[in-house]
Amino acid sequence: KAGVTQTPRYLIKTRGQQVTLSCSPISGHRSVSWYQQTPGQGLQFLFEYFSETQRNKGNFPGRFSGRQFSNSRSEMNVSTLELGDSALYLCASSLGGGLVSGNTIYFGEGSWLTVV
Amino acid sequence: AQRVTQPEKLLSVFKGAPVELKCNYSYSGSPELFWYVQYSRQRLQLLLRHISRESIKGFTADLNKGETSFHLKKPFAQEEDSAMYYCALETSGSRLTFGEGTQLTVNP
Repeated sequence: KAGVTQTPRYLIKTRGQQVTLSCSPISGHRSVSWYQQTPGQGLQFLFEYFSETQRNKGNFPGRFSGRQFSNSRSEMNVSTLELGDSALYLCASSLGGGLVSGNTIYFGEGSWLTVV
Repeated sequence: AQRVTQPEKLLSVFKGAPVELKCNYSYSGSPELFWYVQYSRQRLQLLLRHISRESIKGFTADLNKGETSFHLKKPFAQEEDSAMYYCALETSGSRLTFGEGTQLTVNP
């Protein structure tokens, strides 16, 4: 079956602009989470959605937001882009379910964002 | 608060040598721990999870709650094992806390 799909794969934005990234989870998966990966900070959790509701949120400013649709597809938005937002943004999906399920979490290939 | 520590950023071994990638965690709840691997130019993928107690590609990892560790081991490293390895702790709601990662290089 198809894996986690993210679009676009690469994009360049100017400081101050906003960006929307899209994620299609594995079919049947109801949990979608987002991570930021940078050389300096590593992999950091942004937020997680389950059945269209934000269930968890990391320590990122309000410029970072997300949503999930009824078909489990998710988008994340970053407004007023800063140079430090340049990163690989990873989407991950899992069956979700219980609070700590031990379910396998599958990752997409990521969206490379460069802010200039 | 939860925390995952991988003390070695870089680890280099020769082919056929044993390898151990260290992972320590701090978490007040019952831990669900994973090892993820990222090969060059590939997506992050699950290698092991402690609840299944399986061996994947010759790797094993044992959860030691007393020492709060989940070290990854392989008795004979192969060149194709060269990759970035991340230890991760699942807390609430499919949220993973990752360690900083260890770049493993297996030399011929």
